[in-house]
Amino acid sequence: KAGVTQTPRYLIKTRGQQVTLSCSPISGHRSVSWYQQTPGQGLQFLFEYFSETQRNKGNFPGRFSGRQFSNSRSEMNVSTLELGDSALYLCASSLARRDEKLFFGSGTQLSVL
Amino acid sequence: GENVEQHPSTLSVQEGDSAVIKCTYSDSASNYFPWYKQELGKGPQLIIDIRSNVGEKKDQRIAVTLNKTAKHFSLHITETQPEDSAVYFCAANTGFQKLVFGTGTRLLVSP
Repeated sequence: KAGVTQTPRYLIKTRGQQVTLSCSPISGHRSVSWYQQTPGQGLQFLFEYFSETQRNKGNFPGRFSGRQFSNSRSEMNVSTLELGDSALYLCASSLARRDEKLFFGSGTQLSVL
Repeated sequence: GENVEQHPSTLSVQEGDSAVIKCTYSDSASNYFPWYKQELGKGPQLIIDIRSNVGEKKDQRIAVTLNKTAKHFSLHITETQPEDSAVYFCAANTGFQKLVFGTGTRLLVSP
């Protein structure tokens, strides 16, 4: 069974631009969550989606948004990029909301210049 | 909110030795404590987890212990091998799908 797939693997953007990252969960998994990983702040929860609805949100500005499609695939969007948005963005999937075992993808490395 | 502290930040051992990584959490409502291993260029991989109604769990060379009273949990790796070298993260749940992670421990196993 294929794992969590994230695309693209690497992205380079400039300040002020926007970016969309994609995540395909493990087949059969219906819950998707997103995390940001930086050397300074570590791993931080961004948001969680289940049944195409955002169920939980971390402490990030409104420039960070996401959505989930009917096939459970998810995208996250960051608008008006700032230098501090440079990070590894990780997507994790689980079977259902109450299944707390999260399986992570390899992430998208975003660099903002 | 939940805060998870992890120690040590780096750990160097010889192949065959044991390694222990410790974490503490602050929110007594947390009831799920996973451990992840992250290798260079990869995402975190779930290696073992424990729920608050269990004191210890073992899977081959890896074990996790939990002390709810003291709000401590630890990862024990026995008979370490070079392929165990990676960054290890502990975490605690604060809601469905929402984990608060420790700051990570870089484990280096020398042959």
